[in-house]
Amino acid sequence: DIVMTQSPDSLAVSLGERATINCKSSQSLLSSSNNKNNLAWYKQTPGQPPKLLIYWASTRESGVPDRFSGSGSGTDFTLTISSLQAEDVAVYYCQHYYGNPPWPFGQGTKVEIK
Amino acid sequence: EVQLVESGGGLVQPGGSLRLSCAASGFTFSGYWMSWVRQAPGKGLQWVANIKMDGSEIYYVDSVKGRFTISRDNAKNLMYLQMNSLRAEDTAVYYCTKERSRALHIWGQGTTVIVSS
Repeated sequence: DIVMTQSPDSLAVSLGERATINCKSSQSLLSSSNNKNNLAWYKQTPGQPPKLLIYWASTRESGVPDRFSGSGSGTDFTLTISSLQAEDVAVYYCQHYYGNPPWPFGQGTKVEIK
Repeated sequence: EVQLVESGGGLVQPGGSLRLSCAASGFTFSGYWMSWVRQAPGKGLQWVANIKMDGSEIYYVDSVKGRFTISRDNAKNLMYLQMNSLRAEDTAVYYCTKERSRALHIWGQGTTVIVSS
């Protein structure tokens, strides 16, 4: 099974500054059938269910602010928040959906305000 | 409005059973893969199982194989998770999710399962 590893486990960023979260998979998530990377990013605030932010590694879900962007290919991926806002304090998870399940999540990255 | 509402959680003794339900509305339920994801207290997310639109394909995480059964009733817009031989480590909030392009597009609010004597 593919293993997903996020880094760092937590980070503190000043308001208006950039936050960068990394996600590494144990094997390539690039699908040869559609040339897309089978990776999603989710945001979870306390007491709430997760919310889909990014899919196909870089496609922003409708309604997600454009300060959120996803990049990367193959085994290495990044979620970037270009200018951190107070409402971005949350735990962020990556998840692969390559091939048949199971489709595990990364362990999560907690983003706080410095 | 697309909505998923889970029910059926509760307190159960180790070795016991529970059946979770997920009521879907606001979209064509029979046109989408559906999944269950769980989150143990203070822990991260764990993908549990999913089911194809017509129920012809089903997958589970290894830790629940042989104990949990996912199913759906497209006529009633319902998905189920039958959980048998429950263990303490199954204690979690269980989320129902709708897939879109395989990503977990819509999430319910979750239902809490506590396995304890």
